[in-house]
Amino acid sequence: VQLVESGGGSGQPGGSLRLSCTAAGFIFNNYPMNWVRQAPGKGLEWVSYINGNSNQIYYADSVKGRFTISRDNAKNSLYLQMDGLRAEDTAVYYCAKDDASGWYVTDWGQGTLVTVSS
Amino acid sequence: QSVLTQPPSVSGTPGQRVNISCSGYSSTIGSNIVNWYRQLSGTAPRLLIYKTDQRPSGVPDRFSGSKSGTSASLAISGLQSEDEADYYCAAWDGSLNVWVFGGGTKLTVL
Repeated sequence: VQLVESGGGSGQPGGSLRLSCTAAGFIFNNYPMNWVRQAPGKGLEWVSYINGNSNQIYYADSVKGRFTISRDNAKNSLYLQMDGLRAEDTAVYYCAKDDASGWYVTDWGQGTLVTVSS
Repeated sequence: QSVLTQPPSVSGTPGQRVNISCSGYSSTIGSNIVNWYRQLSGTAPRLLIYKTDQRPSGVPDRFSGSKSGTSASLAISGLQSEDEADYYCAAWDGSLNVWVFGGGTKLTVL
């Protein structure tokens, strides 16, 4: 299993960024996926979940209405559209693959850093 | 503020057994499975225990998980220096439809 995030970088408060995660080594559309983030020096925070056919999507309250998770199974890719960025969104964002049932994360990407600052 | 409560730190000497607690609510640990992840400094987390008490292949049986009521526990026996890491519990909150993590516990091997 390989999960490679991209799209991180610097963004301004109120701005937008789009993260991508390219998956390999498994049948992508069979597995739910998540985004999990970790602010500098802090613990893990779950951000969003999407099941294999995108008909089940959940968000943490902290990002609901601002972030949008999506996937393109034909491209083996997971996305996170981040709008209305805030300073507290600064974190390393991990792409995380669930087991087929969606009950636990089996694999993590290496993470991509998002920094929100004016 | 994390919804699941873990001690910020625990420590032990080589060969000792340590326990890391994770306290939640009826909507989290009380009614759902618990997973544990380990994170070495500067690296991505890795799955340590899933479905409360199951070990992925490759995880030694020194690591075990359990749950009682609204609390869960990770036990590490035969402590080794390479066990130094941050440990996180996680559970699904069925009333809010969100995953919640504990704040993390830093294990130090003295």
